[in-house]
Amino acid sequence: ETGVTQSPTHLIKTRGQQVTLRCSSQSGHNTVSWYQQALGQGPQFIFQYYREEENGRGNFPPRFSGLQFPNYSSELNVNALELDDSALYLCASSLERGISYEQYFGPGTRLTVT
Amino acid sequence: LAKTTQPISMDSYEGQEVNITCSHNNIATNDYITWYQQFPSQGPRFIIQGYKTKVTNEVASLFIPADRKSSTLSLPRVSLSDTAVYYCLVGDGYSGNTPLVFGKGTRLSVIA
Repeated sequence: ETGVTQSPTHLIKTRGQQVTLRCSSQSGHNTVSWYQQALGQGPQFIFQYYREEENGRGNFPPRFSGLQFPNYSSELNVNALELDDSALYLCASSLERGISYEQYFGPGTRLTVT
Repeated sequence: LAKTTQPISMDSYEGQEVNITCSHNNIATNDYITWYQQFPSQGPRFIIQGYKTKVTNEVASLFIPADRKSSTLSLPRVSLSDTAVYYCLVGDGYSGNTPLVFGKGTRLSVIA
């Protein structure tokens, strides 16, 4: 069974640019969540997708958007990058929605905005 | 969403039992309590989850009193490799309307 994978591992972008981060969920998981983790902080919830539909969103501006595909892989898109967007971006998949279902996290993508 | 409060940091010697307590005074009836562990530059990893009383697995135990307003994660005989950040999370078990809300967690340092 393949775990959650994310690509790329590291990324450096310039302020104002756009970025797409990718996540491949664990097999059989229909729910994926994205988190932003700044240095020294806990992960902050960005949004969740359940069966290709957005199922909840945290306190992030609309320039953060996402997609979940029929094979349950997903993307996080960030437009008009700002310096504060520099962080570790984590995706997590689970069998179903709800905290009772264990979330499996990927290793993250480290985004640096200069 | 039920807010959680836990100590910022803890230190322990190898071989000791470590107990990390989390307060969640406004926990709702349908809420579950879940603990995650995170090592530097890695994603969090599920440790244990419970609803009430005591839950034990091969890694840890989780103690939840009758009022469920707090919970205690117990790590038996810690080793250096248990040095990590531990997060306590509370949310609805099955509705799917409650995402995982991470606080700052408890940074556990295990000393030889």
